[in-house]
Amino acid sequence: GAGVSQSPRYKVAKRGQDVALRCDPISGHVSLFWYQQALGQGPEFLTYFQNEAQLDKSGLPSDRFFAERPEGSVSTLKIQRTQQEDSAVYLCASSRLAASTDTQYFGPGTRLTVL
Amino acid sequence: AQSVTQLGSHVSVSEGALVLLRCNYSSSVPPYLFWYVQYPNQGLQLLLKYTSAATLVKGINGFEAEFKKSETSFHLTKPSAHMSDAAEYFCAVSDRSGGFKTIFGAGTRLFVKA
Repeated sequence: GAGVSQSPRYKVAKRGQDVALRCDPISGHVSLFWYQQALGQGPEFLTYFQNEAQLDKSGLPSDRFFAERPEGSVSTLKIQRTQQEDSAVYLCASSRLAASTDTQYFGPGTRLTVL
Repeated sequence: AQSVTQLGSHVSVSEGALVLLRCNYSSSVPPYLFWYVQYPNQGLQLLLKYTSAATLVKGINGFEAEFKKSETSFHLTKPSAHMSDAAEYFCAVSDRSGGFKTIFGAGTRLFVKA
């Protein structure tokens, strides 16, 4: 596809369940970012991949959050034992280069609701 | 540590009026600055970015922003608002120290009245 895609678009989980959110970046993009966007807030950085290497995971809120990009393309964000405070929109973005100035292209997000 | 403050969570203007969305940043190193727009049910889209070339940056859809180091500001303007400009706008900052983290402001929702 031409843009970044994310699936599922909506996810409802019961507290304590594990969830997996998928991101398909633009083909050939080196960089991949995950963000968490709470209601009424701006995106908050979670983690960054350069190809398959996770170079920055400083934004992951707890060890329940785990992200991977094993082949340097598709990425999965996994949240274990979900809590109500995990409810948010999870955004994925990719950029062509590994540079802070490069334009990030965002997917539409996955809205996670934890009951 | 870097941070971004957007003044005003909501701004309302009349169609044809000037749009001014305010952004102030804090950074210990010269920053890279960005404005993104988010339309309902769509992903964020880059409007413009400042990367240390010209301080007045022109973006898409008639928007522009001026980097003012002395005021630590990067306000977004458009001379004449259009109904289609109604959206959420985010200011963001990243640094030149080799990291890739981008810090976003809380956003400003722009309403355009007919």
